[in-house]
Amino acid sequence: GAVVSQHPSRVICKSGTSVKIECRSLDFQATTMFWYRQFPKQSLMLMATSNEGSKATYEQGVEKDKFLINHASLTLSTLTVTSAHPEDSSFYICSARRTINYEQYFGPGTRLTVT
Amino acid sequence: DQQVKQNSPSLSVQEGRISILNCDYTNSMFDYFLWYKKYPAEGPTFLISISSIKDKNEDGRFTVFLNKSAKHLSLHIVPSQPGDSAVYFCAASAGTNAGKSTFGDGTTLTVKP
Repeated sequence: GAVVSQHPSRVICKSGTSVKIECRSLDFQATTMFWYRQFPKQSLMLMATSNEGSKATYEQGVEKDKFLINHASLTLSTLTVTSAHPEDSSFYICSARRTINYEQYFGPGTRLTVT
Repeated sequence: DQQVKQNSPSLSVQEGRISILNCDYTNSMFDYFLWYKKYPAEGPTFLISISSIKDKNEDGRFTVFLNKSAKHLSLHIVPSQPGDSAVYFCAASAGTNAGKSTFGDGTTLTVKP
């Protein structure tokens, strides 16, 4: 199956700093990537849809100035958590969608801990 | 308003028996349904999908059934294996939002040896 990588897998940062998470589709081109957040024992919450070469579409309630998304190429999307606070601590997962079907291929996730 | 619901947070099954995971949805615009499997601290992996034009799709030990009138789908795993122990997410998408799936809360399946 298709491979999607995320980096870093785990990051600890201090409150007030910014953290960048990379999502790469390794063996296919992804015009669309999605960013999710998962709280403990809860489902995946879609944060935003990232389209290559255009602005991301954010879901209701997600602050676009706080969660900056850049989809600079067909294989890379980045999520930057700006001025992170402890409540931003979560498991962030990206996914990439092939252009031909509905299937999403998920990255392994990034565990963010803000102290 | 939760559009995709998995009402059973957990399910325990004996190895070799059938596991049945259920999912209900409310949005009649959904026309594509997917099941994902997720291990702790990992991203979900795609298992099986079904289009609304079908009522059954089978792939090895996994079969998904869709009942459009009841807005219900189920995933059957036969025979269940200990390695199937994971969280299973049901997801649905509408043609106009291709790829933008709405996920249920997940069901934790435990298969006992």
